[in-house]
Amino acid sequence: AQSVTQLGSHVSVSEGALVLLRCNYSSSVPPYLFWYVQYPNQGLQLLLKYTTGATLVKGINGFEAEFKKSETSFHLTKPSAHMSDAAEYFCAVRPNTGGFKTIFGAGTRLFVKA
Amino acid sequence: GAGVSQSPSNKVTEKGKDVELRCDPISGHTALYWYRQSLGQGLEFLIYFQGNSAPDKSGLPSDRFSAERTGGSVSTLTIQRTQQEDSAVYLCASSQQSGRETQYFGPGTRLLVL
Repeated sequence: AQSVTQLGSHVSVSEGALVLLRCNYSSSVPPYLFWYVQYPNQGLQLLLKYTTGATLVKGINGFEAEFKKSETSFHLTKPSAHMSDAAEYFCAVRPNTGGFKTIFGAGTRLFVKA
Repeated sequence: GAGVSQSPSNKVTEKGKDVELRCDPISGHTALYWYRQSLGQGLEFLIYFQGNSAPDKSGLPSDRFSAERTGGSVSTLTIQRTQQEDSAVYLCASSQQSGRETQYFGPGTRLLVL
């Protein structure tokens, strides 16, 4: 069975500071991994994804994430937070062996202080 | 073309009534998903459809929930005899055939059961 754990339901950073949102997964087969973002009063949109190849994945708005198989992690980072990054972020996992069932984490709400 | 659309955007109903929620996926997308997002919680997988294959209903919380997809396009999620705990935002997403593809989310239907 698959599961996703996002450490910290709320994360607060100062503008310009490093953003680190943690995601750990469990999967019996190699997974596809995703980060989605939900801005206030908007729908979810893809931030980035890992399917195969390079384990460091770059996404939109300066975000990136690294797939670490040994740690079963897919943490999301951004070197310098911007006020517009305030949103809720969801990590998700899907097996790469077929099937479309996607399991989402509980989400982490990012607050950015001026 | 247009994105995923859902209707209604908001629905208020009385406990015990049946409700139908509609999803129009992106044209050409063969996979369609339903999720539930309760207040302060992550996305809970409900069901997905992929082409002509049997749907994966493993996430439906009870037999009061059902969904169908007609003609491989529009989908309807039906909740019978609604309960207050059914109050949530119901999200629909669609994607192209491959499991590595991005899911595109609709704006959701906010359901309130009084």
